[in-house]
Amino acid sequence: SQKIEQNSEALNIQEGKTATLTCNYTNYSPAYLQWYRQDPGRGPVFLLLIRENEKEKRKERLKVTFDTTLKQSLFHITASQPADSATYLCALLTGGGNKLTFGTGTQLKVEL
Amino acid sequence: GAGVSQSPSNKVTEKGKDVELRCDPISGHTALYWYRQSLGQGLEFLIYFQGNSAPDKSGLPSDRFSAERTGGSVSTLTIQRTQQEDSAVYLCASDLGETQYFGPGTRLLVL
Repeated sequence: SQKIEQNSEALNIQEGKTATLTCNYTNYSPAYLQWYRQDPGRGPVFLLLIRENEKEKRKERLKVTFDTTLKQSLFHITASQPADSATYLCALLTGGGNKLTFGTGTQLKVEL
Repeated sequence: GAGVSQSPSNKVTEKGKDVELRCDPISGHTALYWYRQSLGQGLEFLIYFQGNSAPDKSGLPSDRFSAERTGGSVSTLTIQRTQQEDSAVYLCASDLGETQYFGPGTRLLVL
């Protein structure tokens, strides 16, 4: 069966450290993968998109890697700040249009 | 407004009643999506519109759920004879390219 897995346990890290979140998938061959941020009571907000032929993508303090052999994406936030605390969702392109299938998300908490 | 808007923001209804949820996408966005997010769960795809047609409605959980889109703009999601398990946040998103822009959601509580 098709599955997208993100660590369901919350990740607590200290301010200034690098946060690394994992997204694993099975039985998909997505053309691209996206990462979204979701704050409580709000809709997800797009952060980064990485294509199947790209290994790494960066945007400011964010870095995403995509390994289609391992079927895994890693999402890094460097020099983390308390304002980075949120739930982070990975999503794969899985259908017509830009139909996305989302993981359940990982909650990140950055502590002072 | 510049973003996707949804109404109502909150809806409390009694089991068995019908509810209608509305989504106003970003102007000019041709694609529109409905998702459902239950407490502590990921987003569950419901239906996708391209213009006014719905090429993919595979995620609608039962025939109590229906959606339409008119004028290539506003969309309504209707749930008939609501059940308690329909309680969730219903999110709408629109896109013009590869990035989806989400609305704030409608929080539905079925008592």
